[in-house]
Amino acid sequence: EAQVTQNPRYLITVTGKKLTVTCSQNMNHEYMSWYRQDPGLGLRQIYYSMNVEVTDKGDVPEGYKVSRKEKRNFPLILESPSPNQTSLYFCASSLSWGVGGDYEQYFGPGTRLTVT
Amino acid sequence: AQSVTQLGSHVSVSEGALVLLRCNYSSSVPPYLFWYVQYPNQGLQLLLKYTSAATLVKGINGFEAEFKKSETSFHLTKPSAHMSDAAEYFCAVSSFSLTTDSWGKLQFGAGTQVVVTP
Repeated sequence: EAQVTQNPRYLITVTGKKLTVTCSQNMNHEYMSWYRQDPGLGLRQIYYSMNVEVTDKGDVPEGYKVSRKEKRNFPLILESPSPNQTSLYFCASSLSWGVGGDYEQYFGPGTRLTVT
Repeated sequence: AQSVTQLGSHVSVSEGALVLLRCNYSSSVPPYLFWYVQYPNQGLQLLLKYTSAATLVKGINGFEAEFKKSETSFHLTKPSAHMSDAAEYFCAVSSFSLTTDSWGKLQFGAGTQVVVTP
């Protein structure tokens, strides 16, 4: 089944304890992206990746890191989480986002993170 | 930088009535525009997209949207609301990044919650 998977789905952690949220897609998609969703703010893009080793900041990259070493995986790393990073996180992927691409994003189920 | 404004955080419509969700964007060049729907406790699903082809775009579930460059708008409509249309709807715009030489940056609006009454 074609899908975007995220792990874990739920996570409660403490301030400063490094964590990684994994994202994997099995559709051979080039484009992958991370978003956070907060009430009243919609989704805000954290980082995106056009392909392996090609990443760029979105609107809210502070406090996050990403890497794209393989096409299928795009982990989100919080080196020192803080309470203001408590949010619902979505990973998404798209076959192609270049010129002439299909521009259709497929979203994962979300990861609800609480930082105390 | 691009921005997206959705007018109205909550919209209530009667079943069978017109659904109209408003989206305005700021851009100096024609962007790529999208509408997504999010059902409770789920990820987002693409409803439709504008990528500089036809200005009237038809999507899934009977939704359509019209790109109006002069008004910098991309409003979403559906002629007749169904109970299953109750969800949150997000407008999004792609902007160009010199770093990646691509339209990979995305901004989303704050969302419009649609309630459908019998």
